[in-house]
Amino acid sequence: AQKITQTQPGMFVQEKEAVTLDCTYDTSDPSYGLFWYKQPSSGEMIFLIYQGSYDQQNATEGRYSLNFQKARKSANLVISASQLGDSAMYFCAMSSAYSGAGSYQLTFGKGTKLSVIP
Amino acid sequence: NAGVTQTPKFQVLKTGQSMTLQCAQDMNHEYMSWYRQDPGMGLRLIHYSVGAGITDQGEVPNGYNVSRSTTEDFPLRLLSAAPSQTSVYFCASTKRGTGGGKLFFGSGTQLSVL
Repeated sequence: AQKITQTQPGMFVQEKEAVTLDCTYDTSDPSYGLFWYKQPSSGEMIFLIYQGSYDQQNATEGRYSLNFQKARKSANLVISASQLGDSAMYFCAMSSAYSGAGSYQLTFGKGTKLSVIP
Repeated sequence: NAGVTQTPKFQVLKTGQSMTLQCAQDMNHEYMSWYRQDPGMGLRLIHYSVGAGITDQGEVPNGYNVSRSTTEDFPLRLLSAAPSQTSVYFCASTKRGTGGGKLFFGSGTQLSVL
């Protein structure tokens, strides 16, 4: 069974500063995907970034980057130059496969609430 | 494009009642799924479908039923509602080959079972 652990229930960051949200995972699957989603107070789930377990380079999407350390089983999200609009819940998730039906079935962590301070 | 549309947005049921949560997508996505989100928890997969006529169970399928007669629609049926099914329900979809779990979510249905 897969497990995602997010140890930071809540975090504060000053506007324009960088912040790292922690995520560790546990799986016995040989290939998998790692994802981060954002949930603003309005409730919708927004995809941010994806990292495949065989990808050599860390994924980046604009101000978001995923710090993937396979040996440590960690997939931390780094947000550079925080903005007030970044205040939200952030969920780390993983899929059980790199492709096929298993790649679409996600296991989520409990989330980290990020608050950006002006 | 409307994306993924869920109805209703809010629903209150009495224990034992049945109802259907509707989900429709207009993006021609093969894959659709239902998740529930409980307070302090991440999302948990209820059921999913990889195409019309094909459905399968996720992590927490008990008490729920699904069918996929068309590519666009994936309704979730609560057979006999229980207070433990009070939750926020999300429908999601994605196109095959888009890098796995890059899911497009609906806006959610907040369900209360009294």
